Amino acid sequence: EPEVTQTPSHQVTQMGQEVILRCVPISNHLYFYWYRQILGQKVEFLVSFYNNEISEKSEIFDDQFSVERPDGSNFTLKIRSTKLEDSAMYFCASKPGSIDTQYFGPGTRLTVL
Amino acid sequence: KQEVTQIPAALSVPEGENLVLNCSFTDSAIYNLQWFRQDPGKGLTSLLLIQSSQREQTSGRLNASLDKSSGRSTLYIAASQPGDSATYLCAVIRNQFYFGTGTSLTVIP
Repeated sequence: EPEVTQTPSHQVTQMGQEVILRCVPISNHLYFYWYRQILGQKVEFLVSFYNNEISEKSEIFDDQFSVERPDGSNFTLKIRSTKLEDSAMYFCASKPGSIDTQYFGPGTRLTVL
Repeated sequence: KQEVTQIPAALSVPEGENLVLNCSFTDSAIYNLQWFRQDPGKGLTSLLLIQSSQREQTSGRLNASLDKSSGRSTLYIAASQPGDSATYLCAVIRNQFYFGTGTSLTVIP
């Protein structure tokens, strides 16, 4: 069964460094999402992406964040200058159509030191 | 803004017991509601999706109900097993997912 995959599974970085989290959505899906979960807290929506542009973003998704679909398969989340509070599990999700359920990847654990 | 609350935050039951997890939400204008399971340090596994026009969904020992008018959903787990130990999340869906804080379930052998 097709799955959403994410790399790396764990990323450790120094405060102020740029990180890129990678996701490969399911191949025929058209809608893409990033969520994050700070340890012990709720899963929070960051951004949705459709037709090569951001369709919705939360207040968390500030100028330090950007998303890109550089080719037909990858969907990336870039954090420009990481802060300690960016430490979290980041989940990618995708879905085929507007009313379908989302399929989640296994997540990337980001640790900012 | 949609707020999703799950009660209880933690639950410990002996193996074999039937149990109910609760989810409430403040805005009834939702498309769907979905229940997930999350194991420690892992991703989200979808359990049941209830469309807004449906009242319940069943899969094996799991049954989820939805009452949009009262802003509530329940997840019923029959004959619980130690392998059911995990955190259970509900999420209400409109343009995005709004997640609850989860119920941490421990099933004691």
